Amino acid sequence: NAGVTQTPKFQVLKTGQSMTLQCAQDMNHEYMSWYRQDPGMGLRLIHYSVGAGITDQGEVPNGYNVSRSTTEDFPLRLLSAAPSQTSVYFCASSYSTWGRNTGELFFGEGSRLTVL
Amino acid sequence: GNSVTQMEGPVTLSEEAFLTINCTYTATGYPSLFWYVQYPGEGLQLLLKATKADDKGSNKGFEATYRKETTSFHLEKGSVQVSDSAVYFCALSWGAQKLVFGQGTRLTINP
Repeated sequence: NAGVTQTPKFQVLKTGQSMTLQCAQDMNHEYMSWYRQDPGMGLRLIHYSVGAGITDQGEVPNGYNVSRSTTEDFPLRLLSAAPSQTSVYFCASSYSTWGRNTGELFFGEGSRLTVL
Repeated sequence: GNSVTQMEGPVTLSEEAFLTINCTYTATGYPSLFWYVQYPGEGLQLLLKATKADDKGSNKGFEATYRKETTSFHLEKGSVQVSDSAVYFCALSWGAQKLVFGQGTRLTINP
């Protein structure tokens, strides 16, 4: 039972570099999302998707891109990394009922990114 | 806008003590409320939920009641164990496709 799989688990980048965090789920969930977790700030929503071909911005989308070409995959791209993007990133997915996210998110184990 | 406020941590208790972690929310309409738990080195996982006023969510000995009159969803457990040490997040979800989290409360249980 794989659930939500994120890669890589750890990454160090230099300022200005680009990279992609991968996320895959095998539960046929329509809803997928990316959060970042910073000390004292809880989790903040970056981008989310309600189905293949549909994405939307969350609370902190600047500096990140997403796409959803398949139900299973939802990669997060950092276009030009900045030290402010040092964080732990979580991908999460959920069932949708009548197009609405149930709120019961299944999380990956996280990807710790350091930008120097 | 919609938001969640949790009691500040960290919280340290002895085994078998009574636990309360406070959570209050601000929202328009009728949100669903959740508690998530994050064990060290892992992602978050759903602990319990409540979808309407006066609902009580429960799981693994934890309970929380959706109180619309006080806009609260406090987490309680009668007798904590060392294995309950984790970070606990209160969250709310409303009509749209978003879940808003509180800042988290770190709980440490000493034997």
